[in-house]
Amino acid sequence: AQKITQTQPGMFVQEKEAVTLDCTYDTSDPSYGLFWYKQPSSGEMIFLIYQGSYDQQNATEGRYSLNFQKARKSANLVISASQLGDSAMYFCAMREGGRRDDKIIFGKGTRLHILP
Amino acid sequence: DTAVSQTPKYLVTQMGNDKSIKCEQNLGHDTMYWYKQDSKKFLKIMFSYNNKELIINETVPNRFSPKSPDKAHLNLHINSLELGDSAVYFCASSPPDRGSKSPLHFGNGTRLTVT
Repeated sequence: AQKITQTQPGMFVQEKEAVTLDCTYDTSDPSYGLFWYKQPSSGEMIFLIYQGSYDQQNATEGRYSLNFQKARKSANLVISASQLGDSAMYFCAMREGGRRDDKIIFGKGTRLHILP
Repeated sequence: DTAVSQTPKYLVTQMGNDKSIKCEQNLGHDTMYWYKQDSKKFLKIMFSYNNKELIINETVPNRFSPKSPDKAHLNLHINSLELGDSAVYFCASSPPDRGSKSPLHFGNGTRLTVT
């Protein structure tokens, strides 16, 4: 069964520092996708970045990059030069296979606090 | 604007009542979902529909009944509301034919409070 683990319930980071949010996953499907979402205090879910299981390179989107280590089954989110607006909950998620009956499952999230 | 929109944003009601949440997407997606986010922020899938057909039903009490009149709409009706139903309910959609690459596009959520 698929599983997503985020071991950091909360993190405090100084503004302008880089942040790494941990995510490990478990699946027996060779084809899967990994996603990160941001949920600010206003409550909406914002899609940040995607990494496919067959992608050779780590995904990057602006200040976000995904450190994908397939053998270790980890997909850590790296935020460079953190900003106060990065304070939010961050969720790692996984989707297997892309079949009609697949589902995206979420980790329990990490609450990130950026300190001025 | 292209988006997933759900109404209402807030819903406060008493135990035993019946209520509905509506969701619409104009992104042309053919799969829609309901997720429940509990007080600890854990997101759990409840249902998915593909082109009006129920695909996933995740051991949700049968007091919860989704309805999809067309592929752009997915509503959630809840009968006999209980205190434990208090949560944020998110509607989401994903595009067709992108396999495991398809991200979820979320609505802004409906905060349901049962008193």
